[in-house]
Amino acid sequence: AQKITQTQPGMFVQEKEAVTLDCTYDTSDPSYGLFWYKQPSSGEMIFLIYQGSYDQQNATEGRYSLNFQKARKSANLVISASQLGDSAMYFCAMREGNRGSTLGRLYFGRGTQLTVWP
Amino acid sequence: NAGVTQTPKFQVLKTGQSMTLQCAQDMNHNSMYWYRQDPGMGLRLIYYSASEGTTDKGEVPNGYNVSRLNKREFSLRLESAAPSQTSVYFCASSVLQGEGNYGYTFGSGTRLTVV
Repeated sequence: AQKITQTQPGMFVQEKEAVTLDCTYDTSDPSYGLFWYKQPSSGEMIFLIYQGSYDQQNATEGRYSLNFQKARKSANLVISASQLGDSAMYFCAMREGNRGSTLGRLYFGRGTQLTVWP
Repeated sequence: NAGVTQTPKFQVLKTGQSMTLQCAQDMNHNSMYWYRQDPGMGLRLIYYSASEGTTDKGEVPNGYNVSRLNKREFSLRLESAAPSQTSVYFCASSVLQGEGNYGYTFGSGTRLTVV
């Protein structure tokens, strides 16, 4: 079973509008962390935001916020006031707690290609 | 600048050739990882090293070997390259345990084509 599911292969948003990128996850570990990365056409992986499973509040970093709904196992990324430079591939990823063989690794979704148009 | 350095950035190999991808980090991280990225597949773990002296297989280890040379360096070797290994390879490092995002840092990637 997929650990991370991103159901939107592509999303379009007009400049200055907000957009939500969906991510659901699957784990039985009570301790885990959720990440969002941006990958522009140049190829590098840019860390955007992190949410720990025990964090009481939703994470925010500038124009990025993570809508964390633990019971639904969802961790959607919200980008407010979209800019042309936000056009990129976005990946959701999860790190499970400190358990033996999976220690440290990230599980990635397949990504969502976001296009911001003027 | 502190970070993860991968070499080379681009490489073309003929089927059957061998090569080693190099990775070094200067953040004093314990853990290092090799991922591959294929279109529509996200990043998948090839091998990782939780700490110096240990290595373990990830999701897609076949056709690869790794060496954790020291705390800083973690190399990935293709002994006999195959077209199916055409991909973009990312090295990453992180702290082993702790709070927050574990300092996860990615290299800039190596684009490998096997013909």
